[in-house]
Amino acid sequence: AQKITQTQPGMFVQEKEAVTLDCTYDTSDPSYGLFWYKQPSSGEMIFLIYQGSYDQQNATEGRYSLNFQKARKSANLVISASQLGDSAMYFCAMREGVGDMRFGAGTRLTVKP
Amino acid sequence: DTEVTQTPKHLVMGMTNKKSLKCEQHMGHRAMYWYKQKAKKPPELMFVYSYEKLSINESVPSRFSPECPNSSLLNLHLHALQPEDSALYLCASSRESGKRVEKLFFGSGTQLSVL
Repeated sequence: AQKITQTQPGMFVQEKEAVTLDCTYDTSDPSYGLFWYKQPSSGEMIFLIYQGSYDQQNATEGRYSLNFQKARKSANLVISASQLGDSAMYFCAMREGVGDMRFGAGTRLTVKP
Repeated sequence: DTEVTQTPKHLVMGMTNKKSLKCEQHMGHRAMYWYKQKAKKPPELMFVYSYEKLSINESVPSRFSPECPNSSLLNLHLHALQPEDSALYLCASSRESGKRVEKLFFGSGTQLSVL
């Protein structure tokens, strides 16, 4: 069974600084996808970035990048130039080859002005 | 249109009531999902519909009854709920189910309170 671990319940970052949110995963399936979602207080889950297990390069989407270290089974999210609007819950998630999406416990990010 | 629309946004019901949550998407997606999220917890998968057929039921109690009338609509019928069922119910859709590359598009959720 797949397992996703986010060890940081809460993180603080100064506005305009970069922050890394940690995610490790465990799967025996060689084919899987890793996702990061943002959940503001409004409740909607907003897709941020995707990394496939066979992708050679780390994914990037604007200010978001994914530091994918396959051998260590980690998929950390890096947010550059933090903004006040980045304050939210962040969930790491995984889908195995034919499985459905399962989420880690989440990290609450607070951006300080 | 890249939206998943859920109604109502808030619902308060008694333990003897019958109510329904509704979800709609017009992206041509063939997979739709219900997730339950308790406060300060991650979403937990409840049901998956693929091509309008129920493909996954994560051992959800029978007081929750899903329905997929067509490829754009997903309902969750509620009956005889318990206070511990109070949570945010999230609907999501994807082009297909069971594929690692498919991201989910989520609605804003229905915040349910059972009194």
